[in-house]
Amino acid sequence: QKEVEQDPGPLSVPEGAIVSLNCTYSNSAFQYFMWYRQYSRKGPELLMYTYSSGNKEDGRFTAQVDKSSKYISLFIRDSQPSDSATYLCAMSRAGGTSYGKLTFGQGTILTVHP
Amino acid sequence: DVKVTQSSRYLVKRTGEKVFLECVQDMDHENMFWYRQDPGLGLRLIYFSYDVKMKEKGDIPEGYSVSREKKERFSLILESASTNQTSMYLCASSPPQTDTQYFGPGTRLTVL
Repeated sequence: QKEVEQDPGPLSVPEGAIVSLNCTYSNSAFQYFMWYRQYSRKGPELLMYTYSSGNKEDGRFTAQVDKSSKYISLFIRDSQPSDSATYLCAMSRAGGTSYGKLTFGQGTILTVHP
Repeated sequence: DVKVTQSSRYLVKRTGEKVFLECVQDMDHENMFWYRQDPGLGLRLIYFSYDVKMKEKGDIPEGYSVSREKKERFSLILESASTNQTSMYLCASSPPQTDTQYFGPGTRLTVL
């Protein structure tokens, strides 16, 4: 069983839809949670970073963490064609002792069509 | 802006060849990482380095080695390339005490 599970999709939605992307994890040692976005033929870039359970909002993006259920989500409101990308969840135990090592999900391919 | 560059975007090699993939970062980051990315498997860590001449195995180090002679440069070496090493290879760097990684554009390696 993988430490981090993410539905690879692909997910196709119309412009303006609310998108929900999810990851589950099995290791309760994970304390930090991230979402990376990867456009085609590019490297991933950090989109959202959270530590505690709860919600964190940044513009049209909301990251949600539920440590009791070992479940994280990324919501995209009013999705745009420019949001079409692969979204990867990532987790780490603790930055200081793990040298910044991350464990990634498989990535979800999202297409937002006009 | 942080910039991570990789020596090639596309590379085609033959089975048994020795392959060098180079990565350079310009932000004086201590930590550097090599991943491979395959459909359905996500990013898997091959090796990482937290200082010059220091290296640690990741989750899938078999068939690979690394070299870090200078802080800004981290090289991935395939001693004898095999077809199952056909993949997208991504390099990343990060400052100490942080989880934010900055990625290069990737090298798509095909081994024939």
